[in-house]
Amino acid sequence: DAGVIQSPRHEVTEMGQEVTLRCKPISGHNSLFWYRQTMMRGLELLIYFNNNVPIDDSGMPEDRFSAKMPNASFSTLKIQPSEPRDSAVYFCASSFSPGKFFGPGTRLTVL
Amino acid sequence: GIQVEQSPPDLILQEGANSTLRCNFSDSVNNLQWFHQNPWGQLINLFYIPSGTKQNGRLSATTVATERYSLLYISSSQTTDSGVYFCAGLNNAGNMLTFGGGTRLMVKP
Repeated sequence: DAGVIQSPRHEVTEMGQEVTLRCKPISGHNSLFWYRQTMMRGLELLIYFNNNVPIDDSGMPEDRFSAKMPNASFSTLKIQPSEPRDSAVYFCASSFSPGKFFGPGTRLTVL
Repeated sequence: GIQVEQSPPDLILQEGANSTLRCNFSDSVNNLQWFHQNPWGQLINLFYIPSGTKQNGRLSATTVATERYSLLYISSSQTTDSGVYFCAGLNNAGNMLTFGGGTRLMVKP
């Protein structure tokens, strides 16, 4: 199995632009999680899906953030408009049983 | 809520040395997982260990759930072991993972 796949691996954009991060979970996993990692706040859970349905989005920082999971093999995290304080590494993780598997992350820099 | 605390926060080792990293967690943590984040930022599963002891090469982990702690042992450390080690606790529903602050390890040649 290829593991959790994220794209892009690096994204540099200017303030105000729309950013879309993509995730392909491990086949057969029914839960998908989006995390954000910053130096100041460490790893934070943004949102998670179970069977493609958003269960808890209380970690989503603002209305500028949105996430979708149109099918079991694909999810997106969108930031519109982006701001410099959104700069972070965004991880996607999937699981079927306890024990999560993380993707390589997307390093986002907003100038 | 879930509390996960790690110690020490920073650790410097000479190559070949052994080390023990500790993770304390609150009553509401059901299971425990250890991760290694390498210097390139990649998060790698090390152990899913709700209780007992597991070993994988030079790494082993022990969780004593009744006493709410877990230990990660690194033996004969290598420079490639450098990075940040996180433990994370799963809530009782099994769907939320809370990370500790991490132990930043540097292994010097």
